[in-house]
Amino acid sequence: DGGITQSPKYLFRKEGQNVTLSCEQNLNHDAMYWYRQDPGQGLRLIYYSQIVNDFQKGDIAEGYSVSREKKESFPLTVTSAQKNPTAFYLCASSIGPSGTDGNQPQHFGDGTRLSIL
Amino acid sequence: EDKVVQSPLSLVVHEGDTVTLNCSYEVTNFRSLLWYKQEKKAPTFLFMLTSSGIEKKSGRLSSILDKKELFSILNITATQTGDSAIYLCAVSDSYNQGGKLIFGQGTELSVKP
Repeated sequence: DGGITQSPKYLFRKEGQNVTLSCEQNLNHDAMYWYRQDPGQGLRLIYYSQIVNDFQKGDIAEGYSVSREKKESFPLTVTSAQKNPTAFYLCASSIGPSGTDGNQPQHFGDGTRLSIL
Repeated sequence: EDKVVQSPLSLVVHEGDTVTLNCSYEVTNFRSLLWYKQEKKAPTFLFMLTSSGIEKKSGRLSSILDKKELFSILNITATQTGDSAIYLCAVSDSYNQGGKLIFGQGTELSVKP
């Protein structure tokens, strides 16, 4: 089945530790996105990537880093510089620039819930 | 600054009621407006609206966009307990911005038996 897989579902981070959240898609989508969701709030964009080896900062990129070495994969690292990392992290993808119509909905993975130990 | 505002933030109804969720936006380069339903985990796509006045319908759910007044509504008729979820409204910026979505805060709907 085609879809977006995020792992792990739950993650705990110690003070001063970097952690990496995985996002893999087999939808052949060019564009991928990372969002953060806090209780009672909508989704806020962290980073996005339209093509391999290229990515841009979203609205709340500080304390996070990403890479896009493969089309299928867009891992997010939460660094120790992110002082309030406890949140629900969602990865999404969409057809992107290579599609016949770039205006396509984003599809989401099931999310990773990150907490501080 | 681009923003999307949803109202109400939360709503409690009984099965069989009809509900209307609101979404207003201020976005410089509007491309489309999307509705998602979120139950615990991944938001699932409901509708994408690009043209004013054209209703999109799927079963008991329907949605319409007004690009002059900059808002959209999502209607759910004959609500069921399975409709309980957070409903997210998002606006897509112009494609030059990578198809970014700007999300509202969400409306938490609770349908009681």
